[in-house]
Amino acid sequence: GQQVMQIPQYQHVQEGEDFTTYCNSSTTLSNIQWYKQRPGGHPVFLIQLVKSGEVKKQKRLTFQFGEAKKNSSLHITATQTTDVGTYFCAGNQNTDKLIFGTGTRLQVFP
Amino acid sequence: DSGVTQTPKHLITATGQRVTLRCSPRSGDLSVYWYQQSLDQGLQFLIQYYNGEERAKGNILERFSAQQFPDLHSELNLSSLELGDSALYFCASSVGSLNTGELFFGEGSRLTVL
Repeated sequence: GQQVMQIPQYQHVQEGEDFTTYCNSSTTLSNIQWYKQRPGGHPVFLIQLVKSGEVKKQKRLTFQFGEAKKNSSLHITATQTTDVGTYFCAGNQNTDKLIFGTGTRLQVFP
Repeated sequence: DSGVTQTPKHLITATGQRVTLRCSPRSGDLSVYWYQQSLDQGLQFLIQYYNGEERAKGNILERFSAQQFPDLHSELNLSSLELGDSALYFCASSVGSLNTGELFFGEGSRLTVL
């Protein structure tokens, strides 16, 4: 079945450092979404990528969808303590299943 | 506030028991999804309903069942509970049925099986 892996599992950074999480699917995806879950909270949608090679930016966050539509990345520039949380990618294989990645937990030290 | 309501927020029960978790989707959303999140784990897709019909199934145990009612609210029934069923159960909703838009998550129901 479809599997979506993320690396790293955990990342601790000093405030102001950059952060990147990578998402890899075992199958080609029709689209990919990214969610953020704050500690004790619920997942909140960040963005959706649909096109091969697509790059989208949201302030300090940059999202990429791979050319083969099997991988994606989220890069945060100059992290802030408000960036703390777990970041999940979620892939859709043109079905009604949205499969979430294993998540990357980001801790930011002031 | 996502607009998705889940009850109860917390539930403590014993092994072998049965519980029902309830979800009311955002107004206008026809799809409801159920996900299970064990401690410090990812989100495991359980099942999806669209306008009252089952549309997709994930790794949902036979002891678990769900349904979506005509008013679009959904219930997840967990029976013969085991210690390993302790988890946070999220409901999410979306407008369409093909996962082409964002999911709006409720705050979750935390189930503890003792």
